[in-house]
Amino acid sequence: DTEVTQTPKHLVMGMTNKKSLKCEQHMGHRAMYWYKQKAKKPPELMFVYSYEKLSINESVPSRFSPECPNSSLLNLHLHALQPEDSALYLCASSQIGQGDLAEQYFGPGTRLTVT
Amino acid sequence: DQQVKQNSPSLSVQEGRISILNCDYTNSMFDYFLWYKKYPAEGPTFLISISSIKDKNEDGRFTVFLNKSAKHLSLHIVPSQPGDSAVYFCAAKSGGYQKVTFGTGTKLQVIP
Repeated sequence: DTEVTQTPKHLVMGMTNKKSLKCEQHMGHRAMYWYKQKAKKPPELMFVYSYEKLSINESVPSRFSPECPNSSLLNLHLHALQPEDSALYLCASSQIGQGDLAEQYFGPGTRLTVT
Repeated sequence: DQQVKQNSPSLSVQEGRISILNCDYTNSMFDYFLWYKKYPAEGPTFLISISSIKDKNEDGRFTVFLNKSAKHLSLHIVPSQPGDSAVYFCAAKSGGYQKVTFGTGTKLQVIP
């Protein structure tokens, strides 16, 4: 199984809502990632979890709150978002190490629209 | 500061011909490079990679060349097929650090 799944596929939320994005992998990967991608831009790293612990936070605003309940699951909790937060949110996973262990497997993404 | 750059935002190639996608980087600490392919509304898919100890890696129709002195890498697709039409991202990382830095992307169109 080389699949990373993400739910929901699409999400529309108001600026006062609280919602969560979910990501799951069963490849035994111990690193999981959240990326944000705007149209015609590269994926932009938000968070990295290594061995279920937050290892990288790319100065993301606190209205985005990641959570890694176990080695297969990754959540992104959203609260009080702004319209400019509308984007494709990608989850990825990889093994931990150098070289080809770096290869990240991406999910299909959640298309988020903030109204 | 864009550490990984793809200076051609788009490229059109006839089916059967060679596609060459270029990527430049500025961080000399990068020691592993990857190419990803992305279709609209999907996540990026890993294509091919190369370690800095090599200058070439080949996988079927895809070959990646690395020129460390020029801090330049390229992806060659031969022969190009219409199904190769997608956005291609170059990416780089250093050592065991988990962060991967993506380039700006090149949209490839293969014309039948």
